[in-house]
Amino acid sequence: QVQLVQSGAEVKKPGASVKVSCKASGYTFTSYDINWVRQATGQGLEWMGWMNPNSGNTGYAQKFQGRVTMTRNTSISTAYMELSSLRSEDTAVYYCARAAVVLQYLGYWGQGTLVTVSS
Amino acid sequence: EIVMTQSPATLSVSPGERATLSCRASQSVSSNLAWYQQKPGQAPRLLIYGASTRATGIPARFSGSGSGTEFTLTISSLQSEDFAVYYCQQYNNWPFAFGQGTKLEIK
Repeated sequence: QVQLVQSGAEVKKPGASVKVSCKASGYTFTSYDINWVRQATGQGLEWMGWMNPNSGNTGYAQKFQGRVTMTRNTSISTAYMELSSLRSEDTAVYYCARAAVVLQYLGYWGQGTLVTVSS
Repeated sequence: EIVMTQSPATLSVSPGERATLSCRASQSVSSNLAWYQQKPGQAPRLLIYGASTRATGIPARFSGSGSGTEFTLTISSLQSEDFAVYYCQQYNNWPFAFGQGTKLEIK
């Protein structure tokens, strides 16, 4: 069965960076795009960007351009999302999600990783 | 960028009744529209894609309709487990924006 298992909760200081991992299993990792979505406490879902694990191509929401980097390690079927220059507003649960074969609806989600930014 | 607007923000419905949730796109997204359900402390779950196709394992009481800029999610007879927050998302053009969500609560 398809599974996306994310790394554990992180606490970071303002200005620092965080790197969240998303390990995929149960399917061919390079065949489906990975998207990243975040959710601040009590708020809605915010789409951050996508990555093609085969090519490494990415597309980021304008809001995160320059601060987010999505990468992968195909040998261990793991995607990564790194967010830099953290501020308190970045405190949220970060989800990875697998897209469909061609279209980007998100059929499988990781369990989420809470990132807390606090001095 | 395409902006997705959901209405209402909160919908109060009694179990067994029908719920109708709306989602509007600021420009056409064709049929590239998905609906997700999210319960507290859980990741979102895909309900509908292609505006009207139920995802695997989703009960038939969930149905989606619309195309272009106007979309609807209908839950025909609400069960206790259906009370949650629902989000629409367009995946026609990135950024693949979500709506702000509709909270479906028990009346």
